[in-house]
Amino acid sequence: EPEVTQTPSHQVTQMGQEVILRCVPISNHLYFYWYRQILGQKVEFLVSFYNNEISEKSEIFDDQFSVERPDGSNFTLKIRSTKLEDSAMYFCASSDITSGGNSYEQYFGPGTRLTVT
Amino acid sequence: AQSVTQLGSHVSVSEGALVLLRCNYSSSVPPYLFWYVQYPNQGLQLLLKYTSAATLVKGINGFEAEFKKSETSFHLTKPSAHMSDAAEYFCAVSGAGGGNKLTFGTGTQLKVEL
Repeated sequence: EPEVTQTPSHQVTQMGQEVILRCVPISNHLYFYWYRQILGQKVEFLVSFYNNEISEKSEIFDDQFSVERPDGSNFTLKIRSTKLEDSAMYFCASSDITSGGNSYEQYFGPGTRLTVT
Repeated sequence: AQSVTQLGSHVSVSEGALVLLRCNYSSSVPPYLFWYVQYPNQGLQLLLKYTSAATLVKGINGFEAEFKKSETSFHLTKPSAHMSDAAEYFCAVSGAGGGNKLTFGTGTQLKVEL
């Protein structure tokens, strides 16, 4: 069964450093998403991406964050200068598009745990 | 704006007992509703979804949920709990249409006791 994969599973970085979290969405999916879950809190939407551009972003997704689809398979989240409060589990998700132009069933990857020290 | 409220951050049931996890939603547009399960140190797995077809939705692992517009609810049930059901359960809402974000509830930790 196709699945979303994410690397690395755990990333430790120092405050102020740049990190890139990588995701390989399901191959025929067209919508891509990043969510995060701070320890003990709910899952929060960061950004959605379609047709090589951001379709929606949350207020969390400020100028320190960027997303890219550098090739036909990868989808990345970059944090330019990490802060302590960026420590969280980051989930990538992807969804297909129906003949009616809708997409709603999002498939999630296993997550990358980011620890900022 | 859309939101979901999950009543009860922790629910404990005996093995074999009924599982009922509550979710109420708020949405200004016809909602799509989802239940996801998260096992320890794992990602989110879709249990079931409501997308404006049948109001009683059956999912994996014996779970089902009923969409009740009059009550703005989408409660998750399972007739008989199993030890393997112990996990965190998240209710989520999105609008119809392409690429809509999921808005999650705060989650309910289900504990199953012998």
